[in-house]
Amino acid sequence: EPEVTQTPSHQVTQMGQEVILRCVPISNHLYFYWYRQILGQKVEFLVSFYNNEISEKSEIFDDQFSVERPDGSNFTLKIRSTKLEDSAMYFCASSELGGIQPQHFGDGTRLSIL
Amino acid sequence: GESVGLHLPTLSVQEGDNSIINCAYSNSASDYFIWYKQESGKGPQFIIDIRSNMDKRQGQRVTVLLNKTVKHLSLQIAATQPGDSAVYFCAEKSGGGADGLTFGKGTHLIIQP
Repeated sequence: EPEVTQTPSHQVTQMGQEVILRCVPISNHLYFYWYRQILGQKVEFLVSFYNNEISEKSEIFDDQFSVERPDGSNFTLKIRSTKLEDSAMYFCASSELGGIQPQHFGDGTRLSIL
Repeated sequence: GESVGLHLPTLSVQEGDNSIINCAYSNSASDYFIWYKQESGKGPQFIIDIRSNMDKRQGQRVTVLLNKTVKHLSLQIAATQPGDSAVYFCAEKSGGGADGLTFGKGTHLIIQP
């Protein structure tokens, strides 16, 4: 069964550094998403992406964050000047279409900011 | 009630029994609902979804019930197995397009042997 894959599984970074989290969505999917989950808390929406541009973003997704689809398969989340509170699991998801379609999630990248 | 930080509501059931996990949602405009299962160290795994024009939908061993009047969603798992032990989240969405899902706080289901 096709799945969303994310790399790395765990990223440790010094505070103030930039990180790039990578995702390969399911190949025929057109909508891509990033979510985060702080330890023990619920999953929170960050941003959605369709047709090479951001469709929706939450209040969490401020100027520190950016997304990109650099080629036909990868979808990346960049976090500039990381802060301690950026430590979380970051999940990528994709859906075949938007609207009433299930989003399928990867297993996440655990980001630890020291 | 609300759960904060590590204190998820927990439901413990005997293997083979049925379980019901409940979720209250707040956005009356939500028209699409999904249940996800999350095992330790993994991402949310799609279980079943339901649209707001339905009040019940069945899958393999799972049933989702939607009560729009009281904004309540439930997931019934029949004949629970050890592999059902996980955290279960409900998620909601309104409208078409690429809106993100709004997740609930989750319920930790423990299957006792």
